[in-house]
Amino acid sequence: DGGITQSPKYLFRKEGQNVTLSCEQNLNHDAMYWYRQDPGQGLRLIYYSQIVNDFQKGDIAEGYSVSREKKESFPLTVTSAQKNPTAFYLCASFPPGGEGAYNEQFFGPGTRLTVL
Amino acid sequence: GQQLNQSPQSMFIQEGEDVSMNCTSSSIFNTWLWYKQDPGEGPVLLIALYKAGELTSNGRLTAQFGITRKDSFLNISASIPSDVGIYFCAGSRLMYSGGGADGLTFGKGTHLIIQP
Repeated sequence: DGGITQSPKYLFRKEGQNVTLSCEQNLNHDAMYWYRQDPGQGLRLIYYSQIVNDFQKGDIAEGYSVSREKKESFPLTVTSAQKNPTAFYLCASFPPGGEGAYNEQFFGPGTRLTVL
Repeated sequence: GQQLNQSPQSMFIQEGEDVSMNCTSSSIFNTWLWYKQDPGEGPVLLIALYKAGELTSNGRLTAQFGITRKDSFLNISASIPSDVGIYFCAGSRLMYSGGGADGLTFGKGTHLIIQP
């Protein structure tokens, strides 16, 4: 079955450590996105990538980094420079544009990061 | 980045009641989307709206794309316990895809709680 996976589900890290969140999809989607969700808030865009080896900053990119070496994978690193890293992180992938494309976009199950 | 104004923030209703929530923006969007998120999971798309004035149903859910392109409404009829969750609206300035810098802009969500 095609889908998008994120791992781990829960992640705990000490303050000052970098941590990498995994996002993998086998939907053959070109575009992948990372969002951050805080309690009582909507989703805010961190980074997105429309093609392999290319990615762009979203609204809240400071303190985060990404890579897109393969079409299937879009890992997110939360660096020690991120001041408030504790949050729920969601990865999403989108098919190429076209009417009805949104019906084929998927969010992963999310990773809850807690920095102690 | 901009966030949409979604209301109400939370709703406490009795099972069987109808539910209405809305989303407004100060700027125009060309696509409106409604998602449901269960605790600890990623959002799941409920309805996508592509044309101003469009009224679309998905089972007991009905959503409308405002004629001004600055608002959208979601109605749930005859609520049942599994409707509990957080409902998000999202808008895109792109007609068909969330790709690119104009990715999805999200509301802060409406938390639906159903009392048996």
